[in-house]
Amino acid sequence: SQTIHQWPATLVQPVGSPLSLECTVEGTSNPNLYWYRQAAGRGLQLLFYSVGIGQISSEVPQNLSASRPQDRQFILSSKKLLLSDSGFYLCAIGQGSLRNTGELFFGEGSRLTVL
Amino acid sequence: KNQVEQSPQSLIILEGKNCTLQCNYTVSPFSNLRWYKQDTGRGPVSLTIMTFSENTKSNGRYTATLDADTKQSSLHITASQLSDSASYICVVSAADNAGNMLTFGGGTRLMVKP
Repeated sequence: SQTIHQWPATLVQPVGSPLSLECTVEGTSNPNLYWYRQAAGRGLQLLFYSVGIGQISSEVPQNLSASRPQDRQFILSSKKLLLSDSGFYLCAIGQGSLRNTGELFFGEGSRLTVL
Repeated sequence: KNQVEQSPQSLIILEGKNCTLQCNYTVSPFSNLRWYKQDTGRGPVSLTIMTFSENTKSNGRYTATLDADTKQSSLHITASQLSDSASYICVVSAADNAGNMLTFGGGTRLMVKP
């Protein structure tokens, strides 16, 4: 079965500093990968998804970017963090079609606090 | 606009009691509905996935129901345990969007007390 590794688990960064969150998956090949953000008391918001190396789709305009340099690596970045970037960031693997009964498996998340 | 509303926002029950969480959605065209359990500080874990033709689905002490006509779902937890304390998230999948096809509810935070 697949596993998802996210790091760092927690991060406190000042406003204006850069960001790099990494997600690495094991036990699967050519997965669909997703970055979600979860703000306190709100539903998960899809930020980016990728169907393959170098293929990134962005769902919301923001100062974040994503890259997929390798099949099993998905990176979330920012050049200058804003206070509003604080939240719980979740990487996920889509297995099968989510339109049908394909599963979405989440990593353990990275909690970012911007001060 | 696709939306998923969950109620109540939070709930406190005593260990051993049953409870029911509600989910109303306006996602169209509907494809499937999922319930996730999210422990504090962890990633969500899937409990059930229900398609249009399914009215009820169980996973141990968790039973989900779906009424596609009224666009409502419920998650019933039987004989609650302390480990059931978590947020429960309702997620609805739309059938016609390649990327952002999942709409997430804000979750119900359940606390089970001894």
